[in-house]
Amino acid sequence: GAGVSQSPSNKVTEKGKDVELRCDPISGHTALYWYRQSLGQGLEFLIYFQGNSAPDKSGLPSDRFSAERTGGSVSTLTIQRTQQEDSAVYLCASSSAPGGVTGNIQYFGAGTRLSVL
Amino acid sequence: GDSVTQMEGPVTLSEEAFLTINCTYTATGYPSLFWYVQYPGEGLQLLLKATKADDKGSNKGFEATYRKETTSFHLEKGSVQVSDSAVYFCALSDLTGGFKTIFGAGTRLFVKA
Repeated sequence: GAGVSQSPSNKVTEKGKDVELRCDPISGHTALYWYRQSLGQGLEFLIYFQGNSAPDKSGLPSDRFSAERTGGSVSTLTIQRTQQEDSAVYLCASSSAPGGVTGNIQYFGAGTRLSVL
Repeated sequence: GDSVTQMEGPVTLSEEAFLTINCTYTATGYPSLFWYVQYPGEGLQLLLKATKADDKGSNKGFEATYRKETTSFHLEKGSVQVSDSAVYFCALSDLTGGFKTIFGAGTRLFVKA
């Protein structure tokens, strides 16, 4: 596609429910990143995919968080048993170059705003 | 580990004022440095980058110089416009830091007409 697409743009859920957030990267981009942006905070790295594998999951905050990527394209971030502290904007980015490459530029989606009541 | 520190906001300026947003970093290797901008309701987008010491990145009237001796990458613009109102993020990517890009906390800029 023309850019990184994320859905839904907004999600309101009740505490304890599971949610799935979707990311469609730019066509042909092999690298995909998930970040979390809490109110007034910077971007918190969650997970990195190269193709369908995730060489860096170090940012996932707990075992309630998981992510997968299929076909080297779409990725889904799943949060189980949501808690109020999970409320944030979840951002996805993709890149044509593998992570760590000098000057690697990431292209971001507009994010999914998650509110846990 | 690697980190990025940028000045806290919000920064409020009048149109045509001079802008500086400070950014300093710590890194074990030789990072690439970036400024990303997030306009209201939009995703982050790259504003400029520099990949080695003394490089100057520039775009849309903004510029930043990679200063290894002071570990800094300050963002400057000589004359801001209302349309520059956004959140600005300083970031680094370091091969020794693995795959992730480290972002600063962001600085919100308001430009008044």
